[in-house]
Amino acid sequence: KQEVTQIPAALSVPEGENLVLNCSFTDSAIYNLQWFRQDPGKGLTSLLLIQSSQREQTSGRLNASLDKSSGRSTLYIAASQPGDSATYLCAVPTSGGGADGLTFGKGTHLIIQP
Amino acid sequence: EPEVTQTPSHQVTQMGQEVILRCVPISNHLYFYWYRQILGQKVEFLVSFYNNEISEKSEIFDDQFSVERPDGSNFTLKIRSTKLEDSAMYFCASNFLAGGTAEQFFGPGTRLTVL
Repeated sequence: KQEVTQIPAALSVPEGENLVLNCSFTDSAIYNLQWFRQDPGKGLTSLLLIQSSQREQTSGRLNASLDKSSGRSTLYIAASQPGDSATYLCAVPTSGGGADGLTFGKGTHLIIQP
Repeated sequence: EPEVTQTPSHQVTQMGQEVILRCVPISNHLYFYWYRQILGQKVEFLVSFYNNEISEKSEIFDDQFSVERPDGSNFTLKIRSTKLEDSAMYFCASNFLAGGTAEQFFGPGTRLTVL
């Protein structure tokens, strides 16, 4: 059964810092990995999807890397801003076929101090 | 930009009642999903739906739950005989391709409170 772990559970940093959020998964037979942002009481906003054949994917100040063999992904946020404060979730497809549901980690709660 | 919409945003019901949560997926998407998030816990997969039938379901999705695509735009989750532990945020999602290759887009959620 796929398990997703995110470290750290919470992170508080001053504005302007670069930071790295970590995600690990137990079953490396994944098609892709998706990073989401969740604001309190809100839905999930997709940030990046990185395919299993890719090692990196970038969107603006965000960069996601994927190392399937070691079961790890990182989300790098450059020049953090207070508006980046949110919970960041990583998710992988649960199984290898059909319309795959996602297995989520518990998330990293990020606070950017002004 | 197209988005997934969900109604209602908040539903309050009495234990034992039936509720129907509604979703309108992105119009050209073919695969539809329901997830739930109990307060303070992980987002959990419930069910996926393609071509008018369930593709995959989790162990949470028991006989109490059902899904339907009653017309060309809506996708619904019915919960029969609600229990206190059904209180959660319920998210609908959709994507265009299966096989884990395509990005899933989520709606804003319906907060279900069972009293």
